[in-house]
Amino acid sequence: LAKTTQPISMDSYEGQEVNITCSHNNIATNDYITWYQQFPSQGPRFIIQGYKTKVTNEVASLFIPADRKSSTLSLPRVSLSDTAVYYCLVGVLPSSNDYKLSFGAGTTVTVRA
Amino acid sequence: DADVTQTPRNRITKTGKRIMLECSQTKGHDRMYWYRQDPGLGLRLIYYSFDVKDINKGEISDGYSVSRQAQAKFSLSLESAIPNQTALYFCATSDGRAAYHGQFFGPGTRLTVL
Repeated sequence: LAKTTQPISMDSYEGQEVNITCSHNNIATNDYITWYQQFPSQGPRFIIQGYKTKVTNEVASLFIPADRKSSTLSLPRVSLSDTAVYYCLVGVLPSSNDYKLSFGAGTTVTVRA
Repeated sequence: DADVTQTPRNRITKTGKRIMLECSQTKGHDRMYWYRQDPGLGLRLIYYSFDVKDINKGEISDGYSVSRQAQAKFSLSLESAIPNQTALYFCATSDGRAAYHGQFFGPGTRLTVL
């Protein structure tokens, strides 16, 4: 499993855009990048997944440069309810027989009023 | 996620006791996982199963065992609980036929070993 590095914490204010960058220098050719969100005392929740360029859904956007050695999760116009821990994970698709997840410490995002 | 349930939600036990944590899912997924989370840390994989009777060790399987007798159920046992197994335990499922969306997690079981 590729090792990932992301900031320990980030602070923001309501209505701002939050960008969390994750480094994964040894990402493999068949690895995908996935982000999860976790609220206190709850299980993580899938946010977004991508392989290259840009992926957008109703919750977030994921930007992946051509070399794929990093990725950025973008949360538009955050609210207080977006305060959570965000995990960046790198690995093969869930349908792969090698599929496993390895969570690091994640990034604690705190949104203030 | 209400489709993945864990019982009990909280448990306090004593050192040396055998404990079983249960996980059930109605998502129809073939793959199931057990994780533990310690305060301020990420999740660590204990065991995982890609099908009934298929069992695989994760990062930290020592002191734990699992059973997958049915597709919808995956139980985790602590044969002889010790205090450093005090943690939040999560069960998760995934669909081995689906390319995306990763894993769906249960609400967690908070286990305290005295």
